[in-house]
Amino acid sequence: DTGVSQNPRHKITKRGQNVTFRCDPISEHNRLYWYRQTLGQGPEFLTYFQNEAQLEKSRLLSDRFSAERPKGSFSTLEIQRTEQGDSAMYLCASSFLSGFEETQYFGPGTRLLVL
Amino acid sequence: AQSVAQPEDQVNVAEGNPLTVKCTYSVSGNPYLFWYVQYPNRGLQFLLKYITGDNLVKGSYGFEAEFNKSQTSFHLKKPSALVSDSALYFCAVRDPDRGAGRRALTFGSGTRLQVQP
Repeated sequence: DTGVSQNPRHKITKRGQNVTFRCDPISEHNRLYWYRQTLGQGPEFLTYFQNEAQLEKSRLLSDRFSAERPKGSFSTLEIQRTEQGDSAMYLCASSFLSGFEETQYFGPGTRLLVL
Repeated sequence: AQSVAQPEDQVNVAEGNPLTVKCTYSVSGNPYLFWYVQYPNRGLQFLLKYITGDNLVKGSYGFEAEFNKSQTSFHLKKPSALVSDSALYFCAVRDPDRGAGRRALTFGSGTRLQVQP
């Protein structure tokens, strides 16, 4: 299966620590998205890349959050000085833009718990 | 701003009966609409999408959805529910008229489908 993969699947950290998540998109997908999902809610957009360019960032993406996609393949999402409110599922999705159509395919997510 | 409403937190249906999961949307232009399903501790799986054309869209696992522009709805349906359909279902919208830079999906809060044997 060559779907979207995310690592780690689970992360427990203490408040104030830094964490980094990795997303490997479907091969040849040129777009990569990060979403955050809290309990009982739908995913909320954080940021997205087209190839290595970060084209949009949500207001949810505070200064403590940074995302990169250095070679247009995998992406990392780093959260600095974690807070308890950062506890959530972080979802990555990838897509291939064809004309105006694209379908985002999601990975299994990384569940973060900040103690 | 674009938004999605899923008015039912939970839908209960008996196995073999038809099911409907409701979704209404709000966008300024013509919507692109999607349904995803989420099983416990897993990411979202794509079910189907409406971009243009026939208002009835068929997707994976026997699901279909009907786009109704006048009612701004995109309800998910299946003629005969299975116990294995029990999961969390999300409707999502994207407004393509907002420009090339705005590609993110806006999701509803989800509807839990429980199919009883």
